[in-house]
Amino acid sequence: NAGVTQTPKFQVLKTGQSMTLQCAQDMNHEYMSWYRQDPGMGLRLIHYSVGAGITDQGEVPNGYNVSRSTTEDFPLRLLSAAPSQTSVYFCASRQQYNEQFFGPGTRLTVL
Amino acid sequence: AQSVTQLGSHVSVSEGALVLLRCNYSSSVPPYLFWYVQYPNQGLQLLLKYTSAATLVKGINGFEAEFKKSETSFHLTKPSAHMSDAAEYFCAVTTTGKLIFGQGTTLQVKP
Repeated sequence: NAGVTQTPKFQVLKTGQSMTLQCAQDMNHEYMSWYRQDPGMGLRLIHYSVGAGITDQGEVPNGYNVSRSTTEDFPLRLLSAAPSQTSVYFCASRQQYNEQFFGPGTRLTVL
Repeated sequence: AQSVTQLGSHVSVSEGALVLLRCNYSSSVPPYLFWYVQYPNQGLQLLLKYTSAATLVKGINGFEAEFKKSETSFHLTKPSAHMSDAAEYFCAVTTTGKLIFGQGTTLQVKP
C-alpha cells in the first residue's frame, strides 16, 4: 500500500495564480481531510469529506475548494493564491474514530 | 462544536525527568481523543488514542494519557524523558467527521 500520497511536494506560486494540490489514498478510507500547518498554529482543518460526493468546511475554508468524486481522491484547489496561503499542506485519511494517516505534505510558497 | 486547547506551546525537561503535556478538550458529546507526534521535518505519527474502552491509555515509546471527563482533560505523560522524545506533540479530538487539532506543544529535552 502506498498509503496517502500528495503531489507536488514543493510549489511556488505568484499572487493570483490558481492550482490544485492532489491527494490520493489506497486504504479505502471513507474520511479524508486537508490541513494547513503554520508555526504556532498547529494543524488547522481546511475541508473534509466523509465519503464520495460529501464535503464540508473546516476551520479555515476561505480561498479553497474541494471535491470528492471517488473514494480514493480528494484534490484541494486554490482559487486565487495569496501570500497568506503560504504554508505546509497535509492531506489525511482515516476510518471513523480510527487512526488518521497523513501524506508527506506540500510546501507552498505564494509570492 | 469540538475544540482542543494545549496548555504551553513549549515545555522543557531534563533527560530522565517526568514529561507532562497538557490537553483540554471541549465537546458536547463523548469524544474520541488522540495524541500525535511530529519529529523535525517529518509527518505526524500516532502516539495513542482514547476510544472510551479505558480511561488510561498506553501508547508507543512509553507514553500514556489519562482521560478525565470531570476535568475535560487528556494529558500526556512519560515517566522518564529521553533525548529522542524532542519533537512537537499534538492533541486532537473528534466526535463527528472533523478531526480537530490543538496548537501543538514543542518538547525540549536537555541533557
